[in-house]
Amino acid sequence: AQTVTQSQPEMSVQEAETVTLSCTYDTSESDYYLFWYKQPPSRQMILVIRQEAYKQQNATENRFSVNFQKAAKSFSLKISDSQLGDAAMYFCAYSGGGADGLTFGKGTHLIIQP
Amino acid sequence: ETGVTQTPRHLVMGMTNKKSLKCEQHLGHNAMYWYKQSAKKPLELMFVYSLEERVENNSVPSRFSPECPNSSHLFLHLHTLQPEDSALYLCASSQFFAGDGQETQYFGPGTRLLVL
Repeated sequence: AQTVTQSQPEMSVQEAETVTLSCTYDTSESDYYLFWYKQPPSRQMILVIRQEAYKQQNATENRFSVNFQKAAKSFSLKISDSQLGDAAMYFCAYSGGGADGLTFGKGTHLIIQP
Repeated sequence: ETGVTQTPRHLVMGMTNKKSLKCEQHLGHNAMYWYKQSAKKPLELMFVYSLEERVENNSVPSRFSPECPNSSHLFLHLHTLQPEDSALYLCASSQFFAGDGQETQYFGPGTRLLVL
């Protein structure tokens, strides 16, 4: 079974600074998808960024980028120019593709200091 | 309505009640999911429906009964629940086998359930 580990229960960063959230996973598959979701206090789960394992290039979405290390099974999220609206729980998730359900990590609570 | 909607947003029920949670997706997707988010545990996958057929049931107690009448609607029927079933229930949808980037799951706002 796949597992996803987020080792940082909480992170704090100053507004406008850069922060990196860590995620490692375990799988025996070669083809899969990795995701970062954001869950603000409203509890709505919002997709931040997605990475296909067969792609070597790291995904980027505006201020959000990932460092995908397939051999190390590592998938970290970098948030540049942190904004107050980035404060939320961040979940790393794994999917084998198709109609496979997501396996989530326990989440990292990100605090933005003004 | 756009995206994935869930009703009700909040529900309080006694252990002997029967209630249903509803999920509707307006994205034209062909797979739908139920997840449970408890305070002390990571999000747990409960059920997966693909093309209106159940393809996964993650050892969920029989007091939870899913129903998928068509590709746009998903229900979770609840009966004789326990207090430990109190949680946020999230619905999601995706389009599988559609190619690059289309297999992403999009979530509804959730139903917060309290069992007394």
